Amino acid sequence: KQEVTQIPAALSVPEGENLVLNCSFTDSAIYNLQWFRQDPGKGLTSLLLIQSSQREQTSGRLNASLDKSSGRSTLYIAASQPGDSATYLCALRADSGAGSYQLTFGKGTKLSVIP
Amino acid sequence: GAGVSQSPSNKVTEKGKDVELRCDPISGHTALYWYRQSLGQGLEFLIYFQGNSAPDKSGLPSDRFSAERTGGSVSTLTIQRTQQEDSAVYLCASSRKSGRSSQETQYFGPGTRLLVL
Repeated sequence: KQEVTQIPAALSVPEGENLVLNCSFTDSAIYNLQWFRQDPGKGLTSLLLIQSSQREQTSGRLNASLDKSSGRSTLYIAASQPGDSATYLCALRADSGAGSYQLTFGKGTKLSVIP
Repeated sequence: GAGVSQSPSNKVTEKGKDVELRCDPISGHTALYWYRQSLGQGLEFLIYFQGNSAPDKSGLPSDRFSAERTGGSVSTLTIQRTQQEDSAVYLCASSRKSGRSSQETQYFGPGTRLLVL
């Protein structure tokens, strides 16, 4: 069974810092990996999706990398802003088999960017 | 529609009561998913609907949970005889099922926060 771990559970940084959020997974047979953002009282917003054949994806100040062989992904946020404060979730889709449409989520990293 | 909508946004109920949670997916999306997010836990998959196919109910935690999807659009998640451990945020997502699986990004609604007293 796939297990997804996100470390740290919470992170507080001053505005302007670059930061890295980590996601590790136990089964490398994944179809894709997604990073989501969750704001209090709101749903999930998809930030970046990396297919299993890709190594990284970039969107604005965000860069996500994927290393299937080591079971790791990182989300890099450049020049952090208070508006980046949210919980960041990592989610995987299995490569095949029953339930391959399901997303398996980590518990998230709660980020606070201090002005 | 602009996005996935869910109602109610919040629900407080007494232990033993039945509750219904509603999800309106994005128009044209044939796949619909329900997830549950309990306090301190990650999101866990509950049920999946794809078109007219039989739903995958493998994630439902007990037979008190059931879901329907009428007309391939709106879905209702029903919890019978609610228990305090059912308290959680229930999230619905939809996706456009296509031959290009890479396009199957799931779009999430804002969730229904259920509190069972």
